[in-house]
Amino acid sequence: ELKVEQNPLFLSMQEGKNYTIYCNYSTTSDRLYWYRQDPGKSLESLFVLLSNGAVKQEGRLMASLDTKARLSTLHITAAVHDLSATYFCAVTPMDSNYQLIWGAGTKLIIKP
Amino acid sequence: DSGVTQTPKHLITATGQRVTLRCSPRSGDLSVYWYQQSLDQGLQFLIQYYNGEERAKGNILERFSAQQFPDLHSELNLSSLELGDSALYFCASSVGAGVVNTEAFFGQGTRLTVV
Repeated sequence: ELKVEQNPLFLSMQEGKNYTIYCNYSTTSDRLYWYRQDPGKSLESLFVLLSNGAVKQEGRLMASLDTKARLSTLHITAAVHDLSATYFCAVTPMDSNYQLIWGAGTKLIIKP
Repeated sequence: DSGVTQTPKHLITATGQRVTLRCSPRSGDLSVYWYQQSLDQGLQFLIQYYNGEERAKGNILERFSAQQFPDLHSELNLSSLELGDSALYFCASSVGAGVVNTEAFFGQGTRLTVV
């Protein structure tokens, strides 16, 4: 069974701190996506990681992909309240151009 | 704006009724995905179409059905509605097969309330 597991599922942290969200997947893949969702809103694409060792950064967020370990990380540097949201990772299996397999999401609350 | 259009934005209906949700994908996208998001179930993949054909099926109930039309818009039909069907229904689109990047772009969702 194809699985994408995120941890933690819930994270409460103070502004200014650093933290990492992990996304493990069980299938061979070199295509991984990170999305952000604000409460009651749609999902917004954050990062597209398409090869082993890919690293992308946008502001205080940095995402990386290790296809050998089947692991992606989303690192938050010096968190600010505006980053409070739920973050999802999703994977396209190597043998499929059609599917996106989703993690359960990590709800991130950043306290001022 | 992702370029994916969903209508209606809000829908309130009674139990036992049938509704149709509509999705227009981004220009050029061949794949359409439907998702259900509720507080207790999280983001659930329902079904995917690629260029008019069903490609992947998730946790879609038999009371639900979907189709993708020749102009690539898609409709999700929900029938014999129950209170538990109240949720946000998202449509997403991506380019689809034959390309490396299958990044999906999401519509704003339809909030369905069954009373």
